[in-house]
Amino acid sequence: DAGITQSPRYKITETGRQVTLMCHQTWSHSYMFWYRQDLGHGLRLIYYSAAADITDKGEVPDGYVVSRSKTENFPLTLESATRSQTSVYFCASRNPGLAGLSSYEQYFGPGTRLTVT
Amino acid sequence: GQQLNQSPQSMFIQEGEDVSMNCTSSSIFNTWLWYKQDPGEGPVLLIALYKAGELTSNGRLTAQFGITRKDSFLNISASIPSDVGIYFCAGRIGGAGSYQLTFGKGTKLSVIP
Repeated sequence: DAGITQSPRYKITETGRQVTLMCHQTWSHSYMFWYRQDLGHGLRLIYYSAAADITDKGEVPDGYVVSRSKTENFPLTLESATRSQTSVYFCASRNPGLAGLSSYEQYFGPGTRLTVT
Repeated sequence: GQQLNQSPQSMFIQEGEDVSMNCTSSSIFNTWLWYKQDPGEGPVLLIALYKAGELTSNGRLTAQFGITRKDSFLNISASIPSDVGIYFCAGRIGGAGSYQLTFGKGTKLSVIP
Protein backbone atom coordinates (compact mmCIF):
# COMPACT_ATOMS: atom_id res chain seq x y z
CA ASP A 1 0.00 0.00 0.00
CA ALA A 2 1.15 3.51 -0.72
CA GLY A 3 1.90 5.84 2.14
CA ILE A 4 4.17 6.00 5.16
CA THR A 5 4.68 3.02 7.43
CA GLN A 6 6.55 2.53 10.69
CA SER A 7 7.81 -0.62 12.34
CA PRO A 8 7.56 -1.98 14.89
CA ARG A 9 4.33 -0.41 16.15
CA TYR A 10 5.18 -1.38 19.73
CA LYS A 11 8.56 -2.09 21.31
CA ILE A 12 9.73 -2.80 24.83
CA THR A 13 13.46 -2.70 25.45
CA GLU A 14 15.85 -2.52 28.37
CA THR A 15 18.02 0.38 29.43
CA GLY A 16 21.33 0.35 27.59
CA ARG A 17 20.19 -1.66 24.60
CA GLN A 18 20.35 -0.43 21.05
CA VAL A 19 17.04 -0.21 19.22
CA THR A 20 16.18 0.90 15.69
CA LEU A 21 12.83 2.25 14.60
CA MET A 22 12.05 1.98 10.91
CA CYS A 23 10.23 4.39 8.63
CA HIS A 24 9.35 3.75 4.99
CA GLN A 25 7.46 5.98 2.54
CA THR A 26 6.30 5.19 -0.97
CA TRP A 27 5.72 8.76 -2.18
CA SER A 28 9.38 9.50 -3.00
CA HIS A 29 9.14 12.57 -0.78
CA SER A 30 12.46 14.34 -0.39
CA TYR A 31 11.99 15.42 3.23
CA MET A 32 11.59 13.01 6.11
CA PHE A 33 11.28 13.74 9.82
CA TRP A 34 11.36 12.02 13.19
CA TYR A 35 9.32 13.39 16.11
CA ARG A 36 8.69 12.25 19.64
CA GLN A 37 5.40 12.85 21.39
CA ASP A 38 5.24 13.14 25.16
CA LEU A 39 2.51 14.35 27.49
CA GLY A 40 2.92 18.04 28.17
CA HIS A 41 5.37 18.56 25.31
CA GLY A 42 3.43 17.88 22.16
CA LEU A 43 5.46 16.93 19.09
CA ARG A 44 9.18 17.66 19.18
CA LEU A 45 11.49 17.26 16.19
CA ILE A 46 14.42 14.88 16.71
CA TYR A 47 16.07 14.77 13.28
CA TYR A 48 15.14 15.54 9.73
CA SER A 49 16.51 14.75 6.29
CA ALA A 50 16.23 16.89 3.17
CA ALA A 51 17.33 14.10 0.81
CA ALA A 52 19.28 10.85 0.75
CA ASP A 53 22.57 11.23 2.65
CA ILE A 54 21.55 14.65 4.04
CA THR A 55 20.44 14.76 7.67
CA ASP A 56 20.33 17.43 10.34
CA LYS A 57 19.45 17.83 14.00
CA GLY A 58 16.13 19.04 15.27
CA GLU A 59 15.11 20.27 18.70
CA VAL A 60 15.93 17.12 20.75
CA PRO A 61 18.63 15.05 18.95
CA ASP A 62 20.72 13.84 21.91
CA GLY A 63 20.84 10.05 22.23
CA TYR A 64 19.58 9.42 18.69
CA VAL A 65 21.26 8.60 15.39
CA VAL A 66 19.74 8.64 11.91
CA SER A 67 20.80 7.64 8.44
CA ARG A 68 19.25 7.92 5.00
CA SER A 69 20.94 5.83 2.36
CA LYS A 70 17.73 5.54 0.30
CA THR A 71 15.06 8.17 -0.32
CA GLU A 72 12.27 5.93 0.95
CA ASN A 73 13.80 4.85 4.27
CA PHE A 74 14.74 6.86 7.34
CA PRO A 75 15.66 4.68 10.33
CA LEU A 76 16.06 6.14 13.82
CA THR A 77 18.50 4.42 16.21
CA LEU A 78 18.73 4.76 19.94
CA GLU A 79 22.31 3.65 20.54
CA SER A 80 21.92 3.09 24.29
CA ALA A 81 18.29 3.45 25.32
CA THR A 82 17.38 5.33 28.49
CA ARG A 83 14.08 5.51 30.36
CA SER A 84 13.69 9.15 29.34
CA GLN A 85 13.39 7.92 25.75
CA THR A 86 10.14 6.13 26.53
CA SER A 87 7.79 7.88 24.15
CA VAL A 88 5.69 7.61 21.03
CA TYR A 89 7.78 8.21 17.90
CA PHE A 90 6.34 9.53 14.66
CA CYS A 91 7.91 9.63 11.25
CA ALA A 92 6.67 12.15 8.69
CA SER A 93 7.48 13.07 5.11
CA ARG A 94 6.78 15.84 2.61
CA ASN A 95 7.75 17.23 -0.76
CA PRO A 96 8.29 20.94 -0.15
CA GLY A 97 6.58 23.07 -2.75
CA LEU A 98 6.41 26.79 -3.22
CA ALA A 99 2.76 26.86 -4.22
CA GLY A 100 1.37 26.67 -0.71
CA LEU A 101 -0.78 23.62 -1.30
CA SER A 102 -1.80 21.16 1.39
CA SER A 103 -0.42 18.32 -0.73
CA TYR A 104 3.05 19.67 0.04
CA GLU A 105 2.65 19.51 3.81
CA GLN A 106 3.92 16.88 6.27
CA TYR A 107 2.15 13.55 6.40
CA PHE A 108 2.65 11.32 9.42
CA GLY A 109 3.07 7.61 9.93
CA PRO A 110 1.05 5.65 12.53
CA GLY A 111 3.75 5.85 15.22
CA THR A 112 5.88 3.49 17.29
CA ARG A 113 5.22 3.26 21.00
CA LEU A 114 8.57 2.60 22.70
CA THR A 115 8.93 1.64 26.33
CA VAL A 116 12.39 1.50 27.93
CA THR A 117 12.47 -0.47 31.19
CA GLY B 1 12.29 29.27 19.89
CA GLN B 2 8.77 29.95 18.77
CA GLN B 3 5.92 28.74 20.93
CA LEU B 4 2.30 28.09 20.12
CA ASN B 5 -0.26 28.36 22.89
CA GLN B 6 -3.19 26.14 22.11
CA SER B 7 -6.43 26.32 24.07
CA PRO B 8 -8.37 24.85 25.58
CA GLN B 9 -6.19 21.89 26.62
CA SER B 10 -9.26 19.67 26.77
CA MET B 11 -12.99 19.92 26.36
CA PHE B 12 -16.05 17.78 26.92
CA ILE B 13 -19.06 18.55 24.77
CA GLN B 14 -22.45 17.08 24.00
CA GLU B 15 -23.00 15.49 20.61
CA GLY B 16 -24.45 18.08 18.26
CA GLU B 17 -22.73 21.06 19.86
CA ASP B 18 -20.31 23.33 18.06
CA VAL B 19 -16.64 23.43 19.12
CA SER B 20 -14.09 26.22 18.99
CA MET B 21 -10.36 26.07 19.69
CA ASN B 22 -7.48 28.37 18.94
CA CYS B 23 -3.76 28.77 18.71
CA THR B 24 -1.86 31.95 19.53
CA SER B 25 1.74 33.03 19.39
CA SER B 26 3.93 36.06 19.88
CA SER B 27 5.58 35.26 16.53
CA ILE B 28 4.24 35.85 13.04
CA PHE B 29 3.57 32.72 10.99
CA ASN B 30 3.21 32.35 7.21
CA THR B 31 1.35 29.06 7.33
CA TRP B 32 -1.10 27.56 9.80
CA LEU B 33 -2.01 23.88 9.78
CA TRP B 34 -4.55 21.90 11.75
CA TYR B 35 -4.08 18.18 12.38
CA LYS B 36 -6.24 15.60 14.13
CA GLN B 37 -4.85 12.59 15.95
CA ASP B 38 -7.06 9.61 16.66
CA PRO B 39 -6.09 7.36 19.59
CA GLY B 40 -3.19 5.12 18.64
CA GLU B 41 -2.65 6.79 15.26
CA GLY B 42 -0.53 9.52 13.73
CA PRO B 43 -1.73 13.09 13.12
CA VAL B 44 -3.76 13.60 9.97
CA LEU B 45 -3.81 16.94 8.17
CA LEU B 46 -7.27 18.56 8.24
CA ILE B 47 -6.81 22.08 6.94
CA ALA B 48 -3.92 24.22 5.66
CA LEU B 49 -4.01 28.03 5.64
CA TYR B 50 -1.58 30.22 3.70
CA LYS B 51 -2.91 33.79 3.75
CA ALA B 52 -3.79 36.17 6.55
CA GLY B 53 -7.56 36.37 6.90
CA GLU B 54 -8.10 33.15 4.93
CA LEU B 55 -11.12 31.09 5.93
CA THR B 56 -11.13 27.46 4.78
CA SER B 57 -13.64 24.69 5.33
CA ASN B 58 -13.37 20.93 5.23
CA GLY B 59 -16.83 19.45 5.77
CA ARG B 60 -18.00 20.49 9.24
CA LEU B 61 -14.59 21.97 10.04
CA THR B 62 -13.72 25.61 9.43
CA ALA B 63 -10.36 27.20 10.17
CA GLN B 64 -9.19 30.78 9.95
CA PHE B 65 -5.78 32.38 9.58
CA GLY B 66 -5.77 35.37 11.91
CA ILE B 67 -5.33 38.85 10.45
CA THR B 68 -2.34 39.55 12.70
CA ARG B 69 -0.76 36.25 11.47
CA LYS B 70 -0.15 35.38 15.13
CA ASP B 71 -3.20 33.19 15.62
CA SER B 72 -5.52 30.67 14.07
CA PHE B 73 -8.91 29.22 14.96
CA LEU B 74 -10.64 25.91 14.31
CA ASN B 75 -14.37 25.41 14.57
CA ILE B 76 -16.26 22.14 14.37
CA SER B 77 -19.99 22.35 13.80
CA ALA B 78 -22.57 19.81 14.99
CA SER B 79 -20.04 17.49 16.65
CA ILE B 80 -20.38 13.73 16.32
CA PRO B 81 -18.71 10.91 18.30
CA SER B 82 -16.02 10.34 15.65
CA ASP B 83 -14.75 13.90 16.24
CA VAL B 84 -13.11 12.57 19.42
CA GLY B 85 -9.34 12.95 19.35
CA ILE B 86 -6.55 15.44 19.83
CA TYR B 87 -6.42 18.47 17.56
CA PHE B 88 -3.03 20.08 16.93
CA CYS B 89 -2.22 23.38 15.39
CA ALA B 90 1.12 23.89 13.67
CA GLY B 91 2.72 27.01 12.31
CA ARG B 92 5.50 27.72 9.85
CA ILE B 93 7.51 30.94 9.92
CA GLY B 94 9.40 30.40 6.67
CA GLY B 95 8.02 30.14 3.15
CA ALA B 96 6.08 27.18 1.77
CA GLY B 97 9.33 25.40 0.99
CA SER B 98 10.63 25.68 4.56
CA TYR B 99 10.64 22.41 6.47
CA GLN B 100 10.26 23.54 10.06
CA LEU B 101 6.93 23.44 11.87
CA THR B 102 6.14 24.53 15.42
CA PHE B 103 3.38 22.49 17.05
CA GLY B 104 0.89 23.38 19.74
CA LYS B 105 0.40 20.92 22.59
CA GLY B 106 -3.03 19.91 21.40
CA THR B 107 -6.69 20.16 22.40
CA LYS B 108 -8.21 16.88 23.54
CA LEU B 109 -11.84 16.68 22.47
CA SER B 110 -14.33 14.33 24.09
CA VAL B 111 -17.88 14.04 22.74
CA ILE B 112 -20.65 12.81 25.00
CA PRO B 113 -23.35 10.97 23.04
